[in-house]
Amino acid sequence: DAKTTQPPSMDCAEGRAANLPCNHSTISGNEYVYWYRQIHSQGPQYIIHGLKNNETNEMASLIITEDRKSSTLILPHATLRDTAVYYCIVRVYSGGSNYKLTFGKGTLLTVNP
Amino acid sequence: EAGVTQSPTHLIKTRGQQATLRCSPISGHTSVYWYQQALGLGLQFLLWYDEGEERNRGNFPPRFSGRQFPNYSSELNVNALELEDSALYLCASSLISQPQHFGDGTRLSIL
Repeated sequence: DAKTTQPPSMDCAEGRAANLPCNHSTISGNEYVYWYRQIHSQGPQYIIHGLKNNETNEMASLIITEDRKSSTLILPHATLRDTAVYYCIVRVYSGGSNYKLTFGKGTLLTVNP
Repeated sequence: EAGVTQSPTHLIKTRGQQATLRCSPISGHTSVYWYQQALGLGLQFLLWYDEGEERNRGNFPPRFSGRQFPNYSSELNVNALELEDSALYLCASSLISQPQHFGDGTRLSIL
């Protein structure tokens, strides 16, 4: 699986959009970008994933650059409950290697009142 | 829809004992994954079960083992507990090729 690079921490004001970047310059053509978050003392929560098109669901939007070497997770209106460590993971979608998620250190997003 | 459930929430053992952790996947999910998250460290992949079979395991010693039952629930067994086994043990479930969904884990403390 390709390596990812994320800033260790970010701050965001409550009610504003939170934009979390992720670099994955060695991504392969069959690798998807996944985002999870982990709120303190809880298990990781799946947020969104995508291949090359932008994706949106009820939680967030995922913007992937045209060359697929980086992406941005957008939380449109951050709340205090969005304070968590956010993990960007790149992995093959299917096949024999589709058995584990490799978590890096992630980005600690702190939403401030 | 009920999420992944794990039991117990907390477990306290002493060195040399054995621990059993349990996981119930989301209804319909056939794959169960186990991860270890030691304090200050990232999540480390432990085991993957699908359709009752162990499909792959991470770089952990054989005293970490498990099984998956016909109803797709799973157990993780850790024998001969060591102090460094203290960690949050997370279970996830999925359909093949679909995103994994996690429970809130069992915190295992070794005294």
